[in-house]
Amino acid sequence: GENVEQHPSTLSVQEGDSAVIKCTYSDSASNYFPWYKQELGKGPQLIIDIRSNVGEKKDQRIAVTLNKTAKHFSLHITETQPEDSAVYFCAAPLYNFNKFYFGSGTKLNVKP
Amino acid sequence: EAQVTQNPRYLITVTGKKLTVTCSQNMNHEYMSWYRQDPGLGLRQIYYSMNVEVTDKGDVPEGYKVSRKEKRNFPLILESPSPNQTSLYFCASSLSSGNSPLHFGNGTRLTVT
Repeated sequence: GENVEQHPSTLSVQEGDSAVIKCTYSDSASNYFPWYKQELGKGPQLIIDIRSNVGEKKDQRIAVTLNKTAKHFSLHITETQPEDSAVYFCAAPLYNFNKFYFGSGTKLNVKP
Repeated sequence: EAQVTQNPRYLITVTGKKLTVTCSQNMNHEYMSWYRQDPGLGLRQIYYSMNVEVTDKGDVPEGYKVSRKEKRNFPLILESPSPNQTSLYFCASSLSSGNSPLHFGNGTRLTVT
């Protein structure tokens, strides 16, 4: 099956700094790469996703970049705020899209 | 409001006592799936369903059953729970399989003693 590795497992930044979380995947046929944010006591929520026909996508302070050759994609959060503190998960589907594989999660702590 | 509803939110039970966790979505989604979340392991897929009466195993199906008799409902059944099934469980749905965003419920924390 797909193997999705996510780094780092924890990340602590000062408010206003940038945060970058990286994921690698193994199935070269994967073509959809979402990022989810999980706040305490809640289910994961999609914050941004990218398809393999583009290399970068931005939504205000959040961006995702994709390098299909190297099989990795990254989440970039600029001007971090305390409300960005949460656990972030990357994911990639198996080529037949029936199964999703998640990274092990990154706990982001934004210090005021 | 579009949502995935899981019940119960918390459940404490004993080894061997059958239980069901319900999941319902109101978005007319084709695809539904169950995950378990354990520290350091992320979310692992238990079972998924492409449509009514179509279900298949994920990566960790042992000890679990599911059914999809109606499009909106996808219950998770533990016939004989064991302590290693103590975990946080999430139900999710999406428009169509793994190429569209997943919508998650708020989770069910299960403890098996």
